[in-house]
Amino acid sequence: DVKVTQSSRYLVKRTGEKVFLECVQDMDHENMFWYRQDPGLGLRLIYFSYDVKMKEKGDIPEGYSVSREKKERFSLILESASTNQTSMYLCASSLHRGTGPRGYTFGSGTRLTVV
Amino acid sequence: GENVEQHPSTLSVQEGDSAVIKCTYSDSASNYFPWYKQELGKRPQLIIDIRSNVGEKKDQRIAVTLNKTAKHFSLHITETQPEDSAVYFCAAFFTGGGNKLTFGTGTQLKVEL
Repeated sequence: DVKVTQSSRYLVKRTGEKVFLECVQDMDHENMFWYRQDPGLGLRLIYFSYDVKMKEKGDIPEGYSVSREKKERFSLILESASTNQTSMYLCASSLHRGTGPRGYTFGSGTRLTVV
Repeated sequence: GENVEQHPSTLSVQEGDSAVIKCTYSDSASNYFPWYKQELGKRPQLIIDIRSNVGEKKDQRIAVTLNKTAKHFSLHITETQPEDSAVYFCAAFFTGGGNKLTFGTGTQLKVEL
């Protein structure tokens, strides 16, 4: 029944490493999102995408980039990981735009630790 | 951009009591307001939502109210049970901001026996 899958549940990376977080959804949703979750700060949007090869900056895009080569897959890239990027990363997807999202579904999250 | 404030950050109630979580939003064009529940170690899951053309919506022990004039909406949980213990997030969506939700900072609800 899992519909949004994040490739790793836990990751430990070294400072300066390039990190890839992968997200795949099987619901044919147009929209995909990457959030990070930190205690007391809630869910903050990093990047999102309306369609293949399209991307939009969210509220905290600095230090991140994304890739969407296929509709079902949305990758978050940390070009040079830093300790302040230690966090829980949540991927989500939703159906088309218009009067509001439909079926905004989250993945299980990837807890990334940068040492 | 849209801003959503959520209060309180923590809430402790006795089993059987009611719990109320409140959120305010900044953009009057917002038209969709979902609530998510995140249990420990799990993904956030939608529990109830309301659109701007409705003032109140109820689903068993859970209800959401919306006051568009004051730009605030609230989650009400009645007859709380231990399994209601979780982090709750409110969110707001407005058509002018792209197809994305802006979330509040979350409320840790603890239901004590």
